[in-house]
Amino acid sequence: AQKITQTQPGMFVQEKEAVTLDCTYDTSDQSYGLFWYKQPSSGEMIFLIYQGSYDEQNATEGRYSLNFQKARKSANLVISASQLGDSAMYFCAMREGYQGAQKLVFGQGTRLTINP
Amino acid sequence: DTEVTQTPKHLVMGMTNKKSLKCEQHMGHRAMYWYKQKAKKPPELMFVYSYEKLSINESVPSRFSPECPNSSLLNLHLHALQPEDSALYLCASRDRLARIPGGTDTQYFGPGTRLTVL
Repeated sequence: AQKITQTQPGMFVQEKEAVTLDCTYDTSDQSYGLFWYKQPSSGEMIFLIYQGSYDEQNATEGRYSLNFQKARKSANLVISASQLGDSAMYFCAMREGYQGAQKLVFGQGTRLTINP
Repeated sequence: DTEVTQTPKHLVMGMTNKKSLKCEQHMGHRAMYWYKQKAKKPPELMFVYSYEKLSINESVPSRFSPECPNSSLLNLHLHALQPEDSALYLCASRDRLARIPGGTDTQYFGPGTRLTVL
């Protein structure tokens, strides 16, 4: 079974600094997908970025990029120029299963606090 | 458009009440999910519907009863809940199984329903 590990329960960063949130994964599958979600205190899970295991380039979406190191089984999220609105819980996830029986395996999350 | 809507936003119910949570998406996705999330924990999967058929039930107690009346709508019927069922209930839909092929199997979540059971 897949497993996702997020080792940073909480992080505190100054506004405008870059921040890296760690995520390591464990899978025996050759084909897999990794996701990052942001969850503000309002509760909604907001999809940020996706990386496929066969993607040759690291994924980027605006200020978010994914530092994908396949051999190390890590998929760290990098947020450039952090903003106060980035304060939230961040979850790394991996898909497990196929077709209609597919589900997400989540890490425990990292709570990010951006200080002014 | 990646919008999933959920109603109500907040719900308070007694242990003898019957209530329903509603989730809707108009993205043509054919897989929909219910999750339960307790504070400071990741979401826990409850049910998955694929092409309007239940494909995963993660051993959820029968006081939670899912229903998928059509490809856009997902309900969760609640009856005789316990205080420990108080949580955030999230709905999601997945883009790979869709009328328009493609996608990356990304799940898009709704804003959730905060449920309190007294």
